[in-house]
Amino acid sequence: GAVVSQHPSRVICKSGTSVKIECRSLDFQATTMFWYRQFPKQSLMLMATSNEGSKATYEQGVEKDKFLINHASLTLSTLTVTSAHPEDSSFYICSARSGGADTGELFFGEGSRLTVL
Amino acid sequence: GQNIDQPTEMTATEGAIVQINCTYQTSGFNGLFWYQQHAGEAPTFLSYNVLDGLEEKGRFSSFLSRSKGYSYLLLKELQMKDSASYLCAVMDSNYQLIWGAGTKLIIKP
Repeated sequence: GAVVSQHPSRVICKSGTSVKIECRSLDFQATTMFWYRQFPKQSLMLMATSNEGSKATYEQGVEKDKFLINHASLTLSTLTVTSAHPEDSSFYICSARSGGADTGELFFGEGSRLTVL
Repeated sequence: GQNIDQPTEMTATEGAIVQINCTYQTSGFNGLFWYQQHAGEAPTFLSYNVLDGLEEKGRFSSFLSRSKGYSYLLLKELQMKDSASYLCAVMDSNYQLIWGAGTKLIIKP
């Protein structure tokens, strides 16, 4: 099946620094990528939807200046957590879709666990 | 509002059968998904139902009743590796996925 690779899988950073997480579709062109965060024992929370070549659409309550999303190509989207704080510590997961909105299956990356000290 | 309900936790015995239920109330319906998520890992796709009825895929089956806003995931011949969280998600009229909180399944020998 399709593979979505996410990097890094784990990152620890100091408060106030910025962290970039990459999401790549390895064997298909992802017209749409989604970024989620998940707190322990909670469901996935959609942060934003990004379409290649256009600005990301952020969910209500998600600060777009803090969570910068770039979907520069059909195989790569990046999430940058700017000026990270301990409350930003979470599991960040990307997913990708190759076709239209009604095709169904999403392919998930492995997830990135961010710890802000 | 939109709502997905599924039990928080279930326990079953290795080799047995378990049914995980999911009820939903969403603005529109474009399909229901089941995902498996092991601790510390991203979800993996299990099934997709858009029409009423039962879809069987190996040891796993998924059922949908749109009129009742209800689905279940049936796992047969349970194995220890099936211990995971099972997430129910519904695609609404805007083709956005609405996620349930997940059901943690504990398999005992």
